Amino acid sequence: GAVVSQHPSWVICKSGTSVKIECRSLDFQATTMFWYRQFPKQSLMLMATSNEGSKATYEQGVEKDKFLINHASLTLSTLTVTSAHPEDSSFYICSARVHRRSRLAGVNEQFFGPGTRLTVL
Amino acid sequence: AQSVAQPEDQVNVAEGNPLTVKCTYSVSGNPYLFWYVQYPNRGLQFLLKYITGDNLVKGSYGFEAEFNKSQTSFHLKKPSALVSDSALYFCAVRDVRSGNTGKLIFGQGTTLQVKP
Repeated sequence: GAVVSQHPSWVICKSGTSVKIECRSLDFQATTMFWYRQFPKQSLMLMATSNEGSKATYEQGVEKDKFLINHASLTLSTLTVTSAHPEDSSFYICSARVHRRSRLAGVNEQFFGPGTRLTVL
Repeated sequence: AQSVAQPEDQVNVAEGNPLTVKCTYSVSGNPYLFWYVQYPNRGLQFLLKYITGDNLVKGSYGFEAEFNKSQTSFHLKKPSALVSDSALYFCAVRDVRSGNTGKLIFGQGTTLQVKP
C-alpha cells in the first residue's frame, strides 16, 4: 500500500516553545489529511481535517490558534503546536486520503502515518 | 448519533486458538466499516474494510470480519492466533455526516494478548 511519513517520530521540548510536525504522503496525492491525538491506551481523537489550499476544519473543543495546520501541497500537511505545555504531551497521528487512484491505492483510501511522540517538559 | 463500540478492553487467547474481537456500530444509512491494528508507538495499519457485497470480508495477515446488519456488528476474527498478533485493534466507521471528507469514527480499542 501507499506510505505516509511523519517527522519527527519523537520530540522533546521545553514548555512555551512551538513544535512543528510534518505529515507527508510519499507516493500519492492527498487533498485531505487528518490529524489525530492519542493518549496512552486510548482511542484516536480527531483534532482537525486538513484541506489542501484551504483552511483546516477543527473539531469541537480543539483550539485552532493552539494547533496550527497548514496543508500547502497535495503531499504535505503540517501541525504546529504553539506555546506547548506539558498537557500537550501526546502521540500525534496523521492520515492521508488518496486523491487520485494509483497502482498503490484506490481513490478515497486512507493511510496512516507512524505517529509523533511529543513530550513537553 | 453515529458511534462505534468495542465492548472488550482486552481479549486474551492462547496461540493457535481462534480469536474474536468484537465491534458494534450505530449509523444512519449503509455503514462503511474498517479494522485497524496498532503496534506500540506506531501508527495504524489497515486490516480490512466492508463497503458492500459479501458479509465476510477477508483482510491482511489472515484476519477476516463478518458484517451482520441485523446485529449491527462487525467482529474481527482469525482462525488461529499468533503471538505476533498481540496489539491494539480499532474498529472504525466512516462518518457519513461529514459528506465526502472521509472522516472516521473510532471505537475505544481492544488490546489483544496472545499467549504462547
